[in-house]
Amino acid sequence: QQQVKQSPQSLIVQKGGISIINCAYENTAFDYFPWYQQFPGKGPALLIAIRPDVSEKKEGRFTISFNKSAKQFSLHIMDSQPGDSATYFCAALQTMDSSYKLIFGSGTRLLVRP
Amino acid sequence: GAVVSQHPSWVICKSGTSVKIECRSLDFQATTMFWYRQFPKQSLMLMATSNEGSKATYEQGVEKDKFLINHASLTLSTLTVTSAHPEDSSFYICSAREIGTGNYGYTFGSGTRLTVV
Repeated sequence: QQQVKQSPQSLIVQKGGISIINCAYENTAFDYFPWYQQFPGKGPALLIAIRPDVSEKKEGRFTISFNKSAKQFSLHIMDSQPGDSATYFCAALQTMDSSYKLIFGSGTRLLVRP
Repeated sequence: GAVVSQHPSWVICKSGTSVKIECRSLDFQATTMFWYRQFPKQSLMLMATSNEGSKATYEQGVEKDKFLINHASLTLSTLTVTSAHPEDSSFYICSAREIGTGNYGYTFGSGTRLTVV
């Protein structure tokens, strides 16, 4: 019940295209869903995050879509660029859980071709 | 924005020696820091939660006597890999949660690549 399932494992997109990464969760107590971007040899960096009281959040070319009833959320990268090539992790957090543990998805390696 | 500094960024050590990795929150206080281990092409695996002034909480299967964690202040946590062996070679990452802002966007360090030879 603590898992966050992420797909696809890898994704290749042409420059200018839309990259879509999906995640699903089981624990309905999760109430914070961040996405992280990680470049090789670096730590993850927070990209964008959403709370379940909204269905969509947009920041620049990055959009999170959230479907509470389906317990799914996704990251859309519009106008994908070669510089977006990285590994993306979705995560979930139960903010009222005093352990404050982030539960990570398995990651998606995105390659944006020029 | 919040910055977490992790040092060193890479280290090579001989089998049997110990290695210390530092994690500092530069511009905020963090009562809680987390230590992760990441194998190539895999997700982050939480090793332990470090709380300032108290003992760390280790995840199941993580040897607490091998991976010593100290969180001596609100801005510094250290991970010491004791009696390192080649199988301890990995990418170690820390993260910190900022106190009291309601900010749940944990900030990660840049990671430490440990190679044990």
